[in-house]
Amino acid sequence: DAGVIQSPRHEVTEMGQEVTLRCKPISGHDYLFWYRQTMMRGLELLIYFNNNVPIDDSGMPEDRFSAKMPNASFSTLKIQPSEPRDSAVYFCASSITGGNQPQHFGDGTRLSIL
Amino acid sequence: QKEVEQNSGPLSVPEGAIASLNCTYSDRGSQSFFWYRQYSGKSPELIMSIYSNGDKEDGRFTAQLNKASQYVSLLIRDSQPSDSATYLCAVNAGSARQLTFGSGTQLTVLP
Repeated sequence: DAGVIQSPRHEVTEMGQEVTLRCKPISGHDYLFWYRQTMMRGLELLIYFNNNVPIDDSGMPEDRFSAKMPNASFSTLKIQPSEPRDSAVYFCASSITGGNQPQHFGDGTRLSIL
Repeated sequence: QKEVEQNSGPLSVPEGAIASLNCTYSDRGSQSFFWYRQYSGKSPELIMSIYSNGDKEDGRFTAQLNKASQYVSLLIRDSQPSDSATYLCAVNAGSARQLTFGSGTQLTVLP
């Protein structure tokens, strides 16, 4: 089975540009999570969805960040306008409901804002 | 106060030794506990999950959970250089689906 698929793997862009990160969860998984990882702050949960509906976006740092999940197989995380302090690795993870199921991570997008 | 605490390390052990990684958590309602391994430049990879008090073994890995003391540990027997990575402890509290991650312990296994 295919795992969580993220694109792009690397993104380098200039400050002020719009950045869109993409994620395809594991088929059948109804929870999707967006994380950001930096050396200083570790792994931080930004937002998560259940059945395409945002449940908790309290981790989204600013209004410049937005996330959508238009269907069960696709989600985007958008940063507009981007700033150098947004540079980090962004991970998408998915899990299935029922019991205490673990989350499975994608390979991440390494974002550099110049 | 951080909700999930881990010693950041680095922890160094010789090849063949037992590596012991520890994690404490603050929410007594926590029900699910996970250990993820993260190689440098890679994504977290699930290696163990544990839900009830006691030990759970999987190959060279043993997870230990003590809810009364609010700690969970990971033992790696016969450590190999390929085990060198950062190990993340993650805790899920009650019905919430989000995991709270510790800051990770960097393990180095010396050949």
